[in-house]
Amino acid sequence: DVKVTQSSRYLVKRTGEKVFLECVQDMDHENMFWYRQDPGLGLRLIYFSYDVKMKEKGDIPEGYSVSREKKERFSLILESASTNQTSMYLCASSSPDQPQHFGDGTRLSIL
Amino acid sequence: EDQVTQSPEALRLQEGESSSLNCSYTVSGLRGLFWYRQDPGKGPEFLFTLYSAGEEKEKERLKATLTKKESFLHITAPKPEDSATYLCAVSHTSGTYKYIFGTGTRLKVLA
Repeated sequence: DVKVTQSSRYLVKRTGEKVFLECVQDMDHENMFWYRQDPGLGLRLIYFSYDVKMKEKGDIPEGYSVSREKKERFSLILESASTNQTSMYLCASSSPDQPQHFGDGTRLSIL
Repeated sequence: EDQVTQSPEALRLQEGESSSLNCSYTVSGLRGLFWYRQDPGKGPEFLFTLYSAGEEKEKERLKATLTKKESFLHITAPKPEDSATYLCAVSHTSGTYKYIFGTGTRLKVLA
């Protein structure tokens, strides 16, 4: 079974802090994705990566950056957290032309 | 603009009462259509991939079908454990692996 693990289930941070969300997959997938999920808006893509050190902007990259130094790990960084970044963050991974598999999410609150 | 619309937003069924969920899509070229199930506080769990009009996939009480403009998720004789949010997503033939998600249908099955 595909396993996508997100480092924290719940996280509380303060505005202006630099926040790191970590995601690890154990299936040697080339593709990794970061989404945020908000009520009424569905899942929106923040960034994705096709390969180590490769990254591409999704639909809502502003205020975020990513890092992929190893194939199995994809990190999302909130450079200076703001209250409008309070959300559920979901990581996914896939092989080319295969469905994406998701982790259980990190519920992030910015106070 | 590529778009995915799911209906209804919410659905309450009695145990054993069959029904269908709808996913309408507009996309420049469909690569695949995906159905996911999401339980509260968890990440989406992959159910089905459909690639071409006329294709059908089945899993236990669930059956997914695809036409050129929409997909249906038929639930036959549902049980309370089928209660969840069902998400639909499409990817298109542009060569990227980005998904466009609908906002989901919240299904509640009453015993």
